[in-house]
Amino acid sequence: DTGVSQDPRHKITKRGQNVTFRCDPISEHNRLYWYRQTLGQGPEFLTYFQNEAQLEKSRLLSDRFSAERPKGSFSTLEIQRTEQGDSAMYLCASSPAGATGELFFGEGSRLTVL
Amino acid sequence: GENVEQHPSTLSVQEGDSAVIKCTYSDSASNYFPWYKQELGKRPQLIIDIRSNVGEKKDQRIAVTLNKTAKHFSLHITETQPEDSAVYFCAASSPGSQGNLIFGKGTKLSVKP
Repeated sequence: DTGVSQDPRHKITKRGQNVTFRCDPISEHNRLYWYRQTLGQGPEFLTYFQNEAQLEKSRLLSDRFSAERPKGSFSTLEIQRTEQGDSAMYLCASSPAGATGELFFGEGSRLTVL
Repeated sequence: GENVEQHPSTLSVQEGDSAVIKCTYSDSASNYFPWYKQELGKRPQLIIDIRSNVGEKKDQRIAVTLNKTAKHFSLHITETQPEDSAVYFCAASSPGSQGNLIFGKGTKLSVKP
């Protein structure tokens, strides 16, 4: 296990379609985060899991967004009825339990909505 | 909630000069302040962090200072090299945030050879 992996790396879709991204965290990490990053901005927090429990969701996460981590390992982020404003890089990060520390980011999944 | 402001948005220096990036935060309860470096098309990676119980931390050419009273912290890079060119993000986290980081908007550092 060399790090956090995300799939797909790039996704182009038409407005109104649904898309799903997958994140595989570092295996011993029980915390998993989803962030969104647009050009020229810092990562914006979307949601957070501790094991399989989704403990926090940002106000940025509209009803069209849903995230799961069913077995406390990999996670999926689904966007329904995509809009052009959803175009962004979706970053996944993981960290071990305990005191706040380093987040290990994946390379991200870039979404382009036409 | 927490808000992190970062300045400048762009910074250009000559190789060998020092670079300083400054951030302010709003939540006095925040106690963890990392700095991430993001090269073009790459993932953000932690370069240094500081907790609220210390005022300064150094790692080779990079250092971070924290002023809790003023609620600001800074990144200092000395003897800059072309490979330091990247976007740098500061972030803050509070005890109740479960490790969630609030990021600044980033500083694009260009080091000219």
